[in-house]
Amino acid sequence: DVKVTQSSRYLVKRTGEKVFLECVQDMDHENMFWYRQDPGLGLRLIYFSYDVKMKEKGDIPEGYSVSREKKERFSLILESASTNQTSMYLCASTLGRYEQYFGPGTRLTVT
Amino acid sequence: QQQVKQSPQSLIVQKGGISIINCAYENTAFDYFPWYQQFPGKGPALLIAIRPDVSEKKEGRFTISFNKSAKQFSLHIMDSQPGDSATYFCAATSGNTPLVFGKGTRLSVIA
Repeated sequence: DVKVTQSSRYLVKRTGEKVFLECVQDMDHENMFWYRQDPGLGLRLIYFSYDVKMKEKGDIPEGYSVSREKKERFSLILESASTNQTSMYLCASTLGRYEQYFGPGTRLTVT
Repeated sequence: QQQVKQSPQSLIVQKGGISIINCAYENTAFDYFPWYQQFPGKGPALLIAIRPDVSEKKEGRFTISFNKSAKQFSLHIMDSQPGDSATYFCAATSGNTPLVFGKGTRLSVIA
């Protein structure tokens, strides 16, 4: 069965902290994505990666960075968390460019 | 060009009724149109998808209608059930770019 796992379901951090969100997929997928989901705004793409060591900016990359050292793992980094980064963060992966499999999400609260 | 516009934002349907959610796009290069279903506390999951060479695709109670000339596609849920209550996202891609998502429709099916 297809599996995308995210390191935490809920996370509370303080303003200015460095935050790491981890995503792992067990499907040998080449492509991985990070989204944030906010009410009324839908799913907004932060960063994506089509290969190891490769990364591309999505629609809202400001304040975020990513790391992909291994094919199965894609990390989202908030260098200095701010309250406007309080959101639900979703990781996804695909083999080709089409069907995406999503993880369960991490609800991040920055206080 | 890259946007997918989804309506309505929320929808309340009686049990047994038909739920209809609409999406419109501008980019004629899009060649894959999926719908995702998301239950509270879960990541989105692929529900049904269509390519522009067909005008309709049906899977059980779920049907996608596709109008290439109007650049519109819609999801119809027949005999809607309370268990269908969820948020639905349409999306589109050309395969060369990540999925572009609509902003979502929150469906409530009431008994």
